[in-house]
Amino acid sequence: QKEVEQNSGPLSVPEGAIASLNCTYSDRVSQSFFWYRQYSGKSPELIMSIYSNGDKEDGRFTAQLNKASQYVSLLIRDSQPSDSATYLCAVNFITGGGNKLTFGTGTQLKVEL
Amino acid sequence: GAGVSQSPSNKVTEKGKDVELRCDPISGHTALYWYRQSLGQGLEFLIYFQGNSAPDKSGLPSDRFSAERTGGSVSTLTIQRTQQEDSAVYLCASSPRLAGAGGEQFFGPGTRLTVL
Repeated sequence: QKEVEQNSGPLSVPEGAIASLNCTYSDRVSQSFFWYRQYSGKSPELIMSIYSNGDKEDGRFTAQLNKASQYVSLLIRDSQPSDSATYLCAVNFITGGGNKLTFGTGTQLKVEL
Repeated sequence: GAGVSQSPSNKVTEKGKDVELRCDPISGHTALYWYRQSLGQGLEFLIYFQGNSAPDKSGLPSDRFSAERTGGSVSTLTIQRTQQEDSAVYLCASSPRLAGAGGEQFFGPGTRLTVL
């Protein structure tokens, strides 16, 4: 089982709809959670970070974290064609071996006109 | 301010040659990370540096890979005797602190390495 799992998609939503991207992570002590957006041929761009259970909103984006269920999600309201990209979930697992992020393989989002 | 910069943006080399990839992190960021991403794949952690501490090299795939960070700033990733399977995009990221709360990582544009 992968440490950070995402459905590869593609997830297709119509313009103006809510896109819901999900990520589950393994049963390890974890501290912080991030969502990155990656356009084709470009490097990842940080869009959200969340550290405690509950919701965190930033503009059209809402990150949701449920540590008991080992689940973090990203909601994109009023989806636009420019939101079409791959979304990477990243988790910081607390280990004695150091501090680094473990990335999922990403979910491809397509927002259709 | 300026973001993370990497050079070269593209590198084509022949199998068996050595290559050096450079990363210039955001000024003041103490943590620096190297990843690689193969076509259609996720990010593979390679190595990270934090201040003056010993680097975490746990992700380096073989002893052909090495990295250094001089003066707590610029980092160089060296791949010796390149192989075709080394072809990938090599990404550098920097962070104001380790990957805990507030340890957001900011990525450079990457170096696309092609080994013929």
